[in-house]
Amino acid sequence: SQTIHQWPATLVQPVGSPLSLECTVEGTSNPNLYWYRQAAGRGLQLLFYSVGIGQISSEVPQNLSASRPQDRQFILSSKKLLLSDSGFYLCAWGTRNEQYFGPGTRLTVT
Amino acid sequence: GESVGLHLPTLSVQEGDNSIINCAYSNSASDYFIWYKQESGKGPQFIIDIRSNMDKRQGQRVTVLLNKTVKHLSLQIAATQPGDSAVYFCAEKDDYKLSFGAGTTVTVRA
Repeated sequence: SQTIHQWPATLVQPVGSPLSLECTVEGTSNPNLYWYRQAAGRGLQLLFYSVGIGQISSEVPQNLSASRPQDRQFILSSKKLLLSDSGFYLCAWGTRNEQYFGPGTRLTVT
Repeated sequence: GESVGLHLPTLSVQEGDNSIINCAYSNSASDYFIWYKQESGKGPQFIIDIRSNMDKRQGQRVTVLLNKTVKHLSLQIAATQPGDSAVYFCAEKDDYKLSFGAGTTVTVRA
């Protein structure tokens, strides 16, 4: 069966510091991969998606970036965090239709 | 902006009663919809999906209804249990992406 991992589970970072969140998927090959952000009490905002290694599509302009160095690895990064980057970050993997979410990373920028 | 929305942000239900969560979508070309359940501090969990060539689909204690004429989607939960307390999101498929509504928070009263 497929499983998706995210780490860390929680993170507190100062403004201006870098960020690296990692997501890995097991049990499937060539999945579509997604990064979402969820503000408190809100829906999910799609940040990036990838349909293959090295292929990244950005949905919203921001100071975040994503990379897919391996088939089942998806990384969300920032060179300098802003207060507005705080939120719950969710990685998901999917087929042509369904998407399945990881446990999420709670990021607090102070 | 978001093309998918939920009619009510909150729903309080007596344990044992049936719950109905509603969702309206705006893209008449959408051909696939998913309902997710998100418990506090966790990633969304896939509940049930439906394709646009169907108007009803049943799962375990859940039923999704699709009315393409009025672009309306609903999730019915039979015999609501305390474990059903969560935020419920409908999502609309758009190529490789999903568009999410803001969510309905369901609270089950004992």
